[in-house]
Amino acid sequence: DAGITQSPRHKVTETGTPVTLRCHQTENHRYMYWYRQDPGHGLRLIHYSYGVKDTDKGEVSDGYSVSRSKTEDFLLTLESATSSQTSVYFCAISELEGNQPQHFGDGTRLSIL
Amino acid sequence: RKEVEQDPGPFNVPEGATVAFNCTYSNSASQSFFWYRQDCRKEPKLLMSVYSSGNEDGRFTAQLNRASQYISLLIRDSKLSDSATYLCVVTPPLSYIPTFGRGTSLIVHP
Repeated sequence: DAGITQSPRHKVTETGTPVTLRCHQTENHRYMYWYRQDPGHGLRLIHYSYGVKDTDKGEVSDGYSVSRSKTEDFLLTLESATSSQTSVYFCAISELEGNQPQHFGDGTRLSIL
Repeated sequence: RKEVEQDPGPFNVPEGATVAFNCTYSNSASQSFFWYRQDCRKEPKLLMSVYSSGNEDGRFTAQLNRASQYISLLIRDSKLSDSATYLCVVTPPLSYIPTFGRGTSLIVHP
């Protein structure tokens, strides 16, 4: 299995609090992605990174920010969590542009009360 | 037309049956195709890549039909453990952003 670790695995927090999710990889892959998955919507891309300090928005980026200061770490931050951000969050990595498959972390279950 | 479409199912089949799923895509220039498997409350896992010449891995066969813009996954001799959601993934040309289908649910019963 690809070396991808997401932390925390589960988190429950209150509306309005900041939340940071971490994705750590040991594969030295260039591309990293954050997705959320909700019933009826499938996987939706939040943000992605194509290198250190190189990030861009996905289709559902509002309310989220990311940072990538090292190849191995990609952080997703909810500056002020809302109940609509309750979801399962997956990090993924890939090696080359499009031609190689993505590999996913185990996911983070986030509940915003 | 959505970029990647799958029949959500569920497909209910008995053990030992053969079942096939299709996935259609809208961008005719798409160049990378994959099938993933996702178990309930787990991460998607790569099942197989789909090559122009087709791809077979044990009981699983994946094929690409560029003319009709779809990929297929055939599962022979279904096992209870094949019960899962199967996601197709298509990557447009000159992109590292894959597009995921919403998945097809398969339930294999005794």
